[in-house]
Amino acid sequence: GESVGLHLPTLSVQEGDNSIINCAYSNSASDYFIWYKQESGKGPQFIIDIRSNMDKRQGQRVTVLLNKTVKHLSLQIAATQPGDSAVYFCAETQAGTALIFGKGTTLSVSS
Amino acid sequence: NAGVTQTPKFRILKIGQSMTLQCAQDMNHNYMYWYRQDPGMGLKLIYYSVGAGITDKGEVPNGYNVSRSTTEDFPLRLELAAPSQTSVYFCASSYSISRGADGYTFGSGTRLTVV
Repeated sequence: GESVGLHLPTLSVQEGDNSIINCAYSNSASDYFIWYKQESGKGPQFIIDIRSNMDKRQGQRVTVLLNKTVKHLSLQIAATQPGDSAVYFCAETQAGTALIFGKGTTLSVSS
Repeated sequence: NAGVTQTPKFRILKIGQSMTLQCAQDMNHNYMYWYRQDPGMGLKLIYYSVGAGITDKGEVPNGYNVSRSTTEDFPLRLELAAPSQTSVYFCASSYSISRGADGYTFGSGTRLTVV
């Protein structure tokens, strides 16, 4: 079936570095994408979303890029902090369907 | 506090036992969902509901049942627990099934172990 996947299961960075977390999706009909952050023992928390009619969207310290040509999604975190350490999931959906989640990337930030 | 409340937080079941995972939301969301998360994996959709009295199967519905008698509550029932159902279960709700500025609101999860 259709699924959303992430390129790397783990990413380790130094505090202050910029982090880039990638995601490849397979359903070309998906038109809405969300990045979630999940800390240990907690449920996923919304970070940022993007619709398919956009290529880029910026939030506070985070930017999501969407490349529909190659069905690729990325999350950029500027000046990564220890509090950013968590598992990051991308999720996709199309009109009328529930979110489908990828496997997740574990981000580890060292001081 | 407004949000999604799940109970219990932890539970150990013996094979063949049954239990109900409770989920309640106070945001007046029409849409509610149950996901399971296996270690190191993403969330898989079990069941979802688009409103009171309406439920639909997700990716992995086998071994589970749901009901939606009110807008607020969406319990998940395991009738004959199996070790393959050992997982963390998340309930979520949303204003829209596929739209919405904030996506889904998730509960804190129920960690279930079947032995």
